[in-house]
Amino acid sequence: DAKTTQPTSMDCAEGRAANLPCNHSTISGNEYVYWYRQIHSQGPQYIIHGLKNNETNEMASLIITEDRKSSTLILPHATLRDTAVYYCIVRDHGFGNQGGKLIFGQGTELSVKP
Amino acid sequence: DGGITQSPKYLFRKEGQNVTLSCEQNLNHDAMYWYRQDPGQGLRLIYYSQIVNDFQKGDIAEGYSVSREKKESFPLTVTSAQKNPTAFYLCASRRGQGNTEAFFGQGTRLTVV
Repeated sequence: DAKTTQPTSMDCAEGRAANLPCNHSTISGNEYVYWYRQIHSQGPQYIIHGLKNNETNEMASLIITEDRKSSTLILPHATLRDTAVYYCIVRDHGFGNQGGKLIFGQGTELSVKP
Repeated sequence: DGGITQSPKYLFRKEGQNVTLSCEQNLNHDAMYWYRQDPGQGLRLIYYSQIVNDFQKGDIAEGYSVSREKKESFPLTVTSAQKNPTAFYLCASRRGQGNTEAFFGQGTRLTVV
């Protein structure tokens, strides 16, 4: 699986958009980008995923660059409850040799402030 | 309700004892995973299983063992060979091949004294 690089921490004002970047320069053509978040001492929660098109759901938007080497998770109107560690991972959907692995990096600790 | 359940939430054991952490899912998912998380750190993969009766080592498998005798269950045993077992352990499952997200349990916090 491709490795990802994220900033260690970020701050965001409540009500503003939070833009969380992720670099995945070694991503291969069949690897998807997934985002999860983890609120303190809980299990991670799925947010969104995509291959090459931008995606949006009720939680967030995912913007993937045309070369797919980086992406940005956007929380359009951050609230205090969005304070969490956000993980960007890339993985192959195949179930071949280690295709089922889910590898998490260090993530970005997002602090939403009033 | 469908979901993935880890038990217990908190577990205390004496040093040198083996301990088994439970993970059960009723989502009919093929793949299951075990992660370890230390304070202020990300998740590290211990073991994963793509199908019943098969599992693979992750990045930090030493001192751990697993079994996958049933689709619903993927217990993790922390053996006495694990040098630093105190950690937060997370189990996850995923439907299988294709475009599917992983679902996580709420974790077991293991403290070895």
